[in-house]
Amino acid sequence: EDKVVQSPLSLVVHEGDTVTLNCSYEVTNFRSLLWYKQEKKAPTFLFMLTSSGIEKKSGRLSSILDKKELSSILNITATQTGDSAIYLCAVEKIPGYSTLTFGKGTMLLVSP
Amino acid sequence: EAGVAQSPRYKIIEKRQSVAFWCNPISGHATLYWYQQILGQGPKLLIQFQNNGVVDDSQLPKDRFSAERLKGVDSTLKIQPAKLEDSAVYLCASSPPWQGYSGANVLTFGAGSRLTVL
Repeated sequence: EDKVVQSPLSLVVHEGDTVTLNCSYEVTNFRSLLWYKQEKKAPTFLFMLTSSGIEKKSGRLSSILDKKELSSILNITATQTGDSAIYLCAVEKIPGYSTLTFGKGTMLLVSP
Repeated sequence: EAGVAQSPRYKIIEKRQSVAFWCNPISGHATLYWYQQILGQGPKLLIQFQNNGVVDDSQLPKDRFSAERLKGVDSTLKIQPAKLEDSAVYLCASSPPWQGYSGANVLTFGAGSRLTVL
């Protein structure tokens, strides 16, 4: 059975801190790993990672995939209260119908 | 571009009643998904359509859940009869026809329909 495990499940930090969220997976026919941010509404897309060791960046957020370790990390530097959300990791499998298996998410709370 | 539209946003029903959720995907998106997200869990795929054909419904509780996508555009998810454990957010998502590893096949989610079964 496919598994996507995220850690920690919840995290409280102060504004300005740097956080690292973890995602590990066990799936057959891996194609890509995706990160989504979910506030009180629809999950919104952050990153898609397909190649090992290549960092993707968007502002204060960055992510990298390690196919050897079957894992990915999402880093957020200089956190702001607006970063408070659930961060979901999902794995996409081949064939190319974009079916995603999600982890339980990490709930991040950034306090002022 | 307009996003994925879902309605209703909230629904409260008693157990054994029925409920229906509607989804209108992004124009041109061939693939439509229904996910169930129970509080504290990640989204779980219920059913996936490619145009108006079902690609994957292996996790759909078919004794009470049904879904259709007529004409390959809008979709409806129905629960009849509802159970307490069906309380969840039902997320609809869509994606364009697969275009390889370009990232263009990323799913776009709607805001969800929150169901409470009493």
